[in-house]
Amino acid sequence: QVQLQQSGPGLVKPSQTLSLTCAISGDSVSSDSAAWNWIRQSPSRGLEWLGRTYYRSKFYNDYALSVQSRITIKPDTSKNQFTLQLNSVTPEDTAVYYCARADTAMDNYFDYWGQGTLLTVSS
Amino acid sequence: DIQMTQSPSTLSASVGDRVTITCRASQSFTTWLAWYQQKPGKAPKLLIYKASTLQSGVPSRFSGSGSGTEFTLTISSLQPDDFATYYCQQYNSYSATFGQGTKVEIK
Repeated sequence: QVQLQQSGPGLVKPSQTLSLTCAISGDSVSSDSAAWNWIRQSPSRGLEWLGRTYYRSKFYNDYALSVQSRITIKPDTSKNQFTLQLNSVTPEDTAVYYCARADTAMDNYFDYWGQGTLLTVSS
Repeated sequence: DIQMTQSPSTLSASVGDRVTITCRASQSFTTWLAWYQQKPGKAPKLLIYKASTLQSGVPSRFSGSGSGTEFTLTISSLQPDDFATYYCQQYNSYSATFGQGTKVEIK
């Protein structure tokens, strides 16, 4: 059974960098079939896919156009986890952030989710 | 990006009712559509993928259909556990976009 456990701060100041971690059990960040995603949810923006990392002989990333200039998703093979970094945050980035697995990179639907982290951007 | 529009936004129904939720896409695509159920304070739960394939463990009263730009989620006989918000999601090999959600309320 795949489990995703999220960790990270719940409060970030404007202009700072958001950093969240998703620890994987029951699968591997180096899986040659799965993809590892970050998604957020807010009342104003609804559910919004942010990006993903996946391994196919090497690691690749795909990012949503809306955050492409500010986002980095990094795998950590030593700890079997992946991290989200979002730079230059504003109050618009306040949301519940989820990590999620896609069973395959070709079919980007999400069968396992983390528990969610409420991230507030405020001074 | 393909935009997804769900209707209705809110639906009032009773236990035992047949419920249908529609999801329309801003442009045509293949059957790369998923449906999720979300309850307050919880992550979304995958119900259906590839427009009509039931995820393992999901009750058979849930079904999905459609292609092109119009897709539907049907609950054949609404159960007390089904009162929740439902989202559609289109996906391809490099991105994903969600509908705005349909809240199914007790009538």
